[in-house]
Amino acid sequence: NAGVTQTPKFQVLKTGQSMTLQCAQDMNHEYMSWYRQDPGMGLRLIHYSVGAGITDQGEVPNGYNVSRSTTEDFPLRLLSAAPSQTSVYFCASSYLQGDTDTQYFGPGTRLTVL
Amino acid sequence: EDQVTQSPEALRLQEGESSSLNCSYTVSGLRGLFWYRQDPGKGPEFLFTLYSAGEEKEKERLKATLTKKESFLHITAPKPEDSATYLCAVQAGSNYQLIWGAGTKLIIKP
Repeated sequence: NAGVTQTPKFQVLKTGQSMTLQCAQDMNHEYMSWYRQDPGMGLRLIHYSVGAGITDQGEVPNGYNVSRSTTEDFPLRLLSAAPSQTSVYFCASSYLQGDTDTQYFGPGTRLTVL
Repeated sequence: EDQVTQSPEALRLQEGESSSLNCSYTVSGLRGLFWYRQDPGKGPEFLFTLYSAGEEKEKERLKATLTKKESFLHITAPKPEDSATYLCAVQAGSNYQLIWGAGTKLIIKP
């Protein structure tokens, strides 16, 4: 199993440009999520999904869109990049089972918006 | 408001010098507390899940414990390869989402 994969690893955008961060998992996990990580702050949830066709907003959803057409893929779209979106982005996935779940993370995408 | 606080922000130890990291939380209806390790430039790597007060889990030089208000990650005789940022997160109520602390950066000097 490859686990959770993310592409690209690094990206530089200009203000106003759009792009899609890719995330895929091969563990048949129902739950997938996107986080951003900024220095001195905890991971902050952007969007999440509990299954194909179902998505919902997290703590910091503004400026980002998601869709979940398959169980495996959960892309994150930046509609019009802003310098405030400079961050490291992580995708995570888990089963929905029992009372708790363990989230497994991808390697991250480091995004710089100029 | 649900909150997770980790302390200290950074900890520098000599190789072999044991210590503890703290994760305190205020949530309604704790379902699980998670510890992760994060190396520079990488994604968080799962270490432990604790479900109820009094529970303990061990892995090599690491031991995690849980009370009703906080969790400790004890590091016994650490080695330089234990240097990393350690993250704590909780899951509470009916949500699947995790609430994260800001992490503790641990540096072990040889």
